[in-house]
Amino acid sequence: DTEVTQTPKHLVMGMTNKKSLKCEQHMGHRAMYWYKQKAKKPPELMFVYSYEKLSINESVPSRFSPECPNSSLLNLHLHALQPEDSALYLCASNLGPGTDTQYFGPGTRLTVL
Amino acid sequence: GESVGLHLPTLSVQEGDNSIINCAYSNSASDYFIWYKQESGKGPQFIIDIRSNMDKRQGQRVTVLLNKTVKHLSLQIAATQPGDSAVYFCAEINYGQNFVFGPGTRLSVLP
Repeated sequence: DTEVTQTPKHLVMGMTNKKSLKCEQHMGHRAMYWYKQKAKKPPELMFVYSYEKLSINESVPSRFSPECPNSSLLNLHLHALQPEDSALYLCASNLGPGTDTQYFGPGTRLTVL
Repeated sequence: GESVGLHLPTLSVQEGDNSIINCAYSNSASDYFIWYKQESGKGPQFIIDIRSNMDKRQGQRVTVLLNKTVKHLSLQIAATQPGDSAVYFCAEINYGQNFVFGPGTRLSVLP
């Protein structure tokens, strides 16, 4: 299995909703990442988990809450989002931070109304 | 030709021609570089990588060139096909740190 999967593919939510994005990989990777990508821009790093521990939080607002239940799964919990949070949310994984290429999932297209 | 402005830089090439996409990186200590291809509505897809102890690496129809003197990376695509139309990002990595993506270039293949 050489892919990163993400669910859902699309998500529309109101500003008062609570939702979660899910990411899964079975490549034995020990680092997992959340990125946010706006249209016509490169991915922006949000969080890094290394060996199931949060190692980097790039000053992301607390309305985004990451969770890594085990080495194969990564969640991003969303609460009280703003319309400007609408974006493509990408998950990636690799053997470890800064070690080799990151493999990306297809992303979740999030729209906040 | 190539255009740069408020929007994503775009490179337009005729089908069958060779494409060259350029990237200037920022950190002279970066030791690993990757090119990604991103099609509309999809996540970035790995194309080719190169380490700082090399100046050229070839894959199938793609070649990456690294010039550390001027901190420049390029991606050459031979015999460009319609399926090559996408946004291409370079990424630089300093060992132990995280990826820094370039701004991206949209490649448009004309019939």
